[in-house]
Amino acid sequence: LAKTTQPISMDSYEGQEVNITCSHNNIATNDYITWYQQFPSQGPRFIIQGYKTKVTNEVASLFIPADRKSSTLSLPRVSLSDTAVYYCLVGVDNTDKLIFGTGTRLQVFP
Amino acid sequence: DVKVTQSSRYLVKRTGEKVFLECVQDMDHENMFWYRQDPGLGLRLIYFSYDVKMKEKGDIPEGYSVSREKKERFSLILESASTNQTSMYLCASSPGTSGKREYFGPGTRLTVT
Repeated sequence: LAKTTQPISMDSYEGQEVNITCSHNNIATNDYITWYQQFPSQGPRFIIQGYKTKVTNEVASLFIPADRKSSTLSLPRVSLSDTAVYYCLVGVDNTDKLIFGTGTRLQVFP
Repeated sequence: DVKVTQSSRYLVKRTGEKVFLECVQDMDHENMFWYRQDPGLGLRLIYFSYDVKMKEKGDIPEGYSVSREKKERFSLILESASTNQTSMYLCASSPGTSGKREYFGPGTRLTVT
C-alpha cells in the first residue's frame, strides 16, 4: 500500500503562495494522487487530482515529477479562509479504498 | 452536485445503547465508506462497501457493523456503544472507476456517555 508523508503543519501569510509537498515512494503504476481540504467539523473536500506532470484548476495546482514519488500542492495567494488541514492521498488497491494520513495543518495569518 | 447526507450532525448516546448512523448518496455511486476521525489520528477507515450487500473491513472494524441493502444507503451500526467510540463519523461515496475521488458527507459527531 502506498503510504504518504507530508509536513504536520505550515504557517503562511495572506497573499503568499503556499506549496505543500507530499512524498509517496511506493506509488503504484495505476495510482492517482489526490488532495483534499478539511475545515473543522466538516467532511474533507476534494481539491485536485492528477496522475503526472501538472494539473491546474480554479483552486490550486498540482505538480508531479516524472518519477511520481512526490507531489506538490500549490495554493496561489492564500487567504485566511484557506486555513485548514490538507491531505495527500494515493489510490491503494483495486477496491478503491483510500487511506488518509494525518495531513498538513495550514495556518494563514493576516 | 453530488450530495452525501448523514442522518444527524450531533448525537448523544449512553453506554450500551445500539446506535445507527445513516448515510445516503444521490449519485448512484458503487462505493461507500465509513470513517472515524479523532484528534491526532486523522481519518481511519472503519468499513467500506463496493456494491449492495457487499462489505469489507477497513482498518478499525472492531465494535462496528454495517449494512447496505440499497445502493444509495450505507448504515453504520454500533451494537453496544462505548465511550471510546465517541468521535466524528464521516461517510463518503465514490464511483467505481479509476481516479478514486471520494465525496464526503458533513459528518456526525457522536458522544457516548
